[in-house]
Amino acid sequence: GAGVSQSPSNKVTEKGKDVELRCDPISGHTALYWYRQRLGQGLEFLIYFQGNSAPDKSGLPSDRFSAERTGESVSTLTIQRTQQEDSAVYLCASSPQEGYYEQYFGPGTRLTVT
Amino acid sequence: KQEVTQIPAALSVPEGENLVLNCSFTDSAIYNLQWFRQDPGKGLTSLLLIQSSQREQTSGRLNASLDKSSGRSTLYIAASQPGDSATYLCAVSGWASGSRLTFGEGTQLTVNP
Repeated sequence: GAGVSQSPSNKVTEKGKDVELRCDPISGHTALYWYRQRLGQGLEFLIYFQGNSAPDKSGLPSDRFSAERTGESVSTLTIQRTQQEDSAVYLCASSPQEGYYEQYFGPGTRLTVT
Repeated sequence: KQEVTQIPAALSVPEGENLVLNCSFTDSAIYNLQWFRQDPGKGLTSLLLIQSSQREQTSGRLNASLDKSSGRSTLYIAASQPGDSATYLCAVSGWASGSRLTFGEGTQLTVNP
């Protein structure tokens, strides 16, 4: 079946502009996660959604970052007033439920802020 | 706060060699541990998932072990091939941090023909 998909694959934006990144999880997966990987650094958690529960936003680095999820499907990560330090690969993952389940990752969106 | 460490940071071996990658974590109250592979410019491919109650998992030439009490996992790759060249990441989820994965920095593996 189809895996996790993300769009766009690459995004170049000017400092100060807003960007939206999209994630389509595997059908039927109730848990959805966002991570980012800055150049030369490890992956860091941003936010996760589980069904209709309130999302865990504890990894968002600033109030310029927000995310939404429509039911148990598409999620959008929005970064407002982008800064150069936001340049990174943004990865989305989904799993059948939270907790003990394997997470499956999408190919990522490479964001470059000039 | 959970911390994950991977040793070595980089490894270069000749084709055909058996090798071991190491992962350690500070909080043993985990749900599970996953090993991933990341190719340059690509996303993560899940290799093996070990639940906290398990000791090891095998897939083809890969074998991962888990010693939760000591906070360690190893990934054993048998008969390495040039196509195994990639960065290998281990990640844990657990009681303190919920379902989110905490990642190590990775081991960059190069298998030379």
